[in-house]
Amino acid sequence: KAGVTQTPRYLIKTRGQQVTLSCSPISGHRSVSWYQQTPGQGLQFLFEYFSETQRNKGNFPGRFSGRQFSNSRSEMNVSTLELGDSALYLCASSRQGDGGTQYFGPGTRLLVL
Amino acid sequence: KQEVTQIPAALSVPEGENLVLNCSFTDSAIYNLQWFRQDPGKGLTSLLLIQSSQREQTSGRLNASLDKSSGRSTLYIAASQPGDSATYLCALQGGIAGKSTFGDGTTLTVKP
Repeated sequence: KAGVTQTPRYLIKTRGQQVTLSCSPISGHRSVSWYQQTPGQGLQFLFEYFSETQRNKGNFPGRFSGRQFSNSRSEMNVSTLELGDSALYLCASSRQGDGGTQYFGPGTRLLVL
Repeated sequence: KQEVTQIPAALSVPEGENLVLNCSFTDSAIYNLQWFRQDPGKGLTSLLLIQSSQREQTSGRLNASLDKSSGRSTLYIAASQPGDSATYLCALQGGIAGKSTFGDGTTLTVKP
């Protein structure tokens, strides 16, 4: 069974631009969660989608948004990029999102210049 | 609010040694606890998941325990190898669907 895939793997953007990251969950998984990992803050929860609906959201500004499609693939968008948005963005999928194993993708490394 | 602490932050051991990594948490109302491994610049690899009703899980040289009453989990690695060198993270799910709360990790170096 294919694992969680994320595209692109690496991105370089400049301040003020916007970016869209993509995550394809494991087949049959309906929950997709997004996390930001930085050296200073560690792994922080961004939001979670289940059946095309955002169920939960972390403490991030409105510049961070996402969506989920009917095939469970998810996208995350960051608008008006700031230097501090440089991070590894990880997505995780699970069947239901309420206690099952979360499987993580390889991440997208974003560098904002 | 769940807080997760991992001690020590870094650990260096000679090859072949048995070792224990610690994870403590403040809220015992959890669905499960999961241990991950992360290699530099890479994503997370799930090692073991312990459901709230369980006390331990084993996989090969790894054994994880969970004590909700004391808010602690340990990851035991037997006969460590240089290939075990990585950062180990514990994460708890509870209360908020799809959200795991992570510790800051323990960076393990196993010297040949």
